[in-house]
Amino acid sequence: KAGVTQTPRYLIKTRGQQVTLSCSPISGHRSVSWYQQTPGQGLQFLFEYFSETQRNKGNFPGRFSGRQFSNSRSEMNVSTLELGDSALYLCASSLAGGPETQYFGPGTRLLVL
Amino acid sequence: QQQVKQSPQSLIVQKGGISIINCAYENTAFDYFPWYQQFPGKGPALLIAIRPDVSEKKEGRFTISFNKSAKQFSLHIMDSQPGDSATYFCAASIPSSGSARQLTFGSGTQLTVLP
Repeated sequence: KAGVTQTPRYLIKTRGQQVTLSCSPISGHRSVSWYQQTPGQGLQFLFEYFSETQRNKGNFPGRFSGRQFSNSRSEMNVSTLELGDSALYLCASSLAGGPETQYFGPGTRLLVL
Repeated sequence: QQQVKQSPQSLIVQKGGISIINCAYENTAFDYFPWYQQFPGKGPALLIAIRPDVSEKKEGRFTISFNKSAKQFSLHIMDSQPGDSATYFCAASIPSSGSARQLTFGSGTQLTVLP
């Protein structure tokens, strides 16, 4: 069974630009969560989507948004990039949202210059 | 209230030794405590998890000890191997809307097991 895939794996952007990251969950998984990982702040929850609806949201500014499609694939968008947005963005999928069945993807490494 | 504090930040252990990583939490609403292992270039992988109605859970060389009254839990890695060298994260989960859950992670411990 294929794991969680994230594209692209690496991305370099400049301040003020916007970026879209993609996550394809494990087949059959309907929940997709996004996390930001930085050396300073560690792993922080961004939001969770289930059946195309945002069900849970962390404490991030509105520049961070996401969506989920009918095939459960999810995209995350960050607008007006700031240097501090440089991070590893992780996507995790699960059957229905429970961490017991949650699997992480390898992440997208975003560098903002 | 949502914070999970993890220590130590880094740990060096000889092969065959015991690695111990500790976490503490404040929010008594947390009801699921997983540990994750992360290798460079990979996402975290669920290692072992415990619920607060159990004081200890063992899976192979990995054991979680849970102290509900002290609001602390720890990961013990017995007979540590160089292949265990990775970053370990504790986490705590709280139910939110519907069946959704939100994970709050500790800051991570970089474990190095010397051959």
